[in-house]
Amino acid sequence: NAGVTQTPKFRILKIGQSMTLQCTQDMNHNYMYWYRQDPGMGLKLIYYSVGAGITDKGEVPNGYNVSRSTTEDFPLRLELAAPSQTSVYFCASSFPRTDGAQFFGPGTRLTVL
Amino acid sequence: GQNIDQPTEMTATEGAIVQINCTYQTSGFNGLFWYQQHAGEAPTFLSYNVLDGLEEKGRFSSFLSRSKGYSYLLLKELQMKDSASYLCAVRDHNTDKLIFGTGTRLQVFP
Repeated sequence: NAGVTQTPKFRILKIGQSMTLQCTQDMNHNYMYWYRQDPGMGLKLIYYSVGAGITDKGEVPNGYNVSRSTTEDFPLRLELAAPSQTSVYFCASSFPRTDGAQFFGPGTRLTVL
Repeated sequence: GQNIDQPTEMTATEGAIVQINCTYQTSGFNGLFWYQQHAGEAPTFLSYNVLDGLEEKGRFSSFLSRSKGYSYLLLKELQMKDSASYLCAVRDHNTDKLIFGTGTRLQVFP
């Protein structure tokens, strides 16, 4: 199993550009999540999904959109990139169990200039 | 509201024991997780506590006291590779989401 994979690993965007961060998991997890991690800060939840066709906002959803058409894929869309979106983005997945640990992808390091 | 506190940084010597504390306040508690994160890498799962007491996994142990809103991660026989950030995360019963602390950066010296 590859686990959780994310592409790209690095990206530089200009202000106002858009992009999609890809996330795929092969563990048949129902739950998937997008977090951002800023230097010296904890992980902040952007969006999450409990299954195909179901998504919901997390703590910091503004400026982002998601979709979940399959169990495996959970892309994150940035529209009109802003410098405040410079961060490291992690995708994660888990089973829907109380003790279900979240498994994280390697992250995408995004810089908006 | 929800709040998680951890020390920002700790240092220790190879072979020693270190305890990383985590205190939390949440409107509904449904489990506490510890993750390890090496610099530039993704967090990886270390331990899970939902009942009071100690959970041991090799060199790592995690303790929980729900009445005190307190947990600690105990690392024994420290190795250089244990230099990393350690994230405490609480699952909120009402939202079923994880709330992460800012992490404790541990540096292990020879």
